[in-house]
Amino acid sequence: EPEVTQTPSHQVTQMGQEVILRCVPISNHLYFYWYRQILGQKVEFLVSFYNNEISEKSEIFDDQFSVERPDGSNFTLKIRSTKLEDSAMYFCATPGGNEAFFGQGTRLTVV
Amino acid sequence: QQPVQSPQAVILREGEDAVINCSSSKALYSVHWYRQKHGEAPIFLMILLKGGEQKGHDKISASFNEKKQQSSLYLTASQLSYSGTYFCGTEIWNTDKLIFGTGTRLQVFP
Repeated sequence: EPEVTQTPSHQVTQMGQEVILRCVPISNHLYFYWYRQILGQKVEFLVSFYNNEISEKSEIFDDQFSVERPDGSNFTLKIRSTKLEDSAMYFCATPGGNEAFFGQGTRLTVV
Repeated sequence: QQPVQSPQAVILREGEDAVINCSSSKALYSVHWYRQKHGEAPIFLMILLKGGEQKGHDKISASFNEKKQQSSLYLTASQLSYSGTYFCGTEIWNTDKLIFGTGTRLQVFP
């Protein structure tokens, strides 16, 4: 079965540090999404990415966040200067057509 | 813009039925349904693309009322494995984002 792979599974970082979360989406899927879920809360849309460009972004996705597809396969979410409130699970997903696939997520802990 | 789900929580005995509703204030292109177990990623259940469409597999089905901008998820003869938080995900016309609903926590007891 097709799989979305995220790395690392868990990242601990100090406040103010930059983090890069990685996602290997399913090949041939054109749309990619990043979501954030603070523990026990709702799944929040961050950004959608299509054809190597940001398609939509939410109010959460401010200048501290960026997305890239550096090598045509990996898909990264960068948080430039982490804050305590950035602690959450971050999921990438490739919805589209009749299926939608989520990666297993990266748990980011900012201390 | 976030779809509202009701109820917020459901407690069932094995074998009982449940209905989870999802309501949007915007015209919808599609509705997705997901189940999430604690500490895990959301698992895709189904997508509904056309108004009035009903889909299902096993004892879980869903309907989509495009005019009312609503969808409902039907769980029949619930099993212990149905426990988790259910989210609807809505795609609004002319946007490229899938917005998740407020979530419904469902617990099935023996």
